[in-house]
Amino acid sequence: DSGVTQTPKHLITATGQRVTLRCSPRSGDLSVYWYQQSLDQGLQFLIQYYNGEERAKGNILERFSAQQFPDLHSELNLSSLELGDSALYFCASRPGAQDTQYFGPGTRLTVL
Amino acid sequence: AQTVTQSQPEMSVQEAETVTLSCTYDTSENNYYLFWYKQPPSRQMILVIRQEAYKQQNATENRFSVNFQKAAKSFSLKISDSQLGDTAMYFCALISGGTSYGKLTFGQGTILTVHP
Repeated sequence: DSGVTQTPKHLITATGQRVTLRCSPRSGDLSVYWYQQSLDQGLQFLIQYYNGEERAKGNILERFSAQQFPDLHSELNLSSLELGDSALYFCASRPGAQDTQYFGPGTRLTVL
Repeated sequence: AQTVTQSQPEMSVQEAETVTLSCTYDTSENNYYLFWYKQPPSRQMILVIRQEAYKQQNATENRFSVNFQKAAKSFSLKISDSQLGDTAMYFCALISGGTSYGKLTFGQGTILTVHP
């Protein structure tokens, strides 16, 4: 158990819908990262937050957004969903002074 | 831009034997970190081992060790005394630049199957 929690574990929805994925980092970790794992694109970095502020953006679509709240949990919002958004979405957190990221169990999103 | 390449889509090994997974990378930074993550069928991403680029000594974690060749930009993972529980997808990953940001760049992954 990495100490990072993600909910829900599975999500099945229809095209055009909007969903919210939630992540709680390890206790004391200020940095949260979101990654997408799909069959065709592999594992890709989406976005990073540090203590409530956006720090870096990767290959994140405009239909996707994220935020980190004062209690340090983070949410990834996916809207106008398309079939190609079906993937495993990981959250990871990192201790402030270290480089290692610890991953949550992921949320499996299926768009029908 | 940084890239990570794993040229072996699949590997197999007999239980108790040794196997080596290959990884090459590219970055223009001098300060970087390399990792191997394991993803078993449960899909959880589990850290196996990490290497700091400024350290010449190869990292070791129990049965797992790396061969870090900085000049060649190579970072291979050796698994000794392979166990059935080692069956998983293995990802090589890189963080370069300042660790304040530290996004991971992953390779394509290598599926390792350990046979009894």
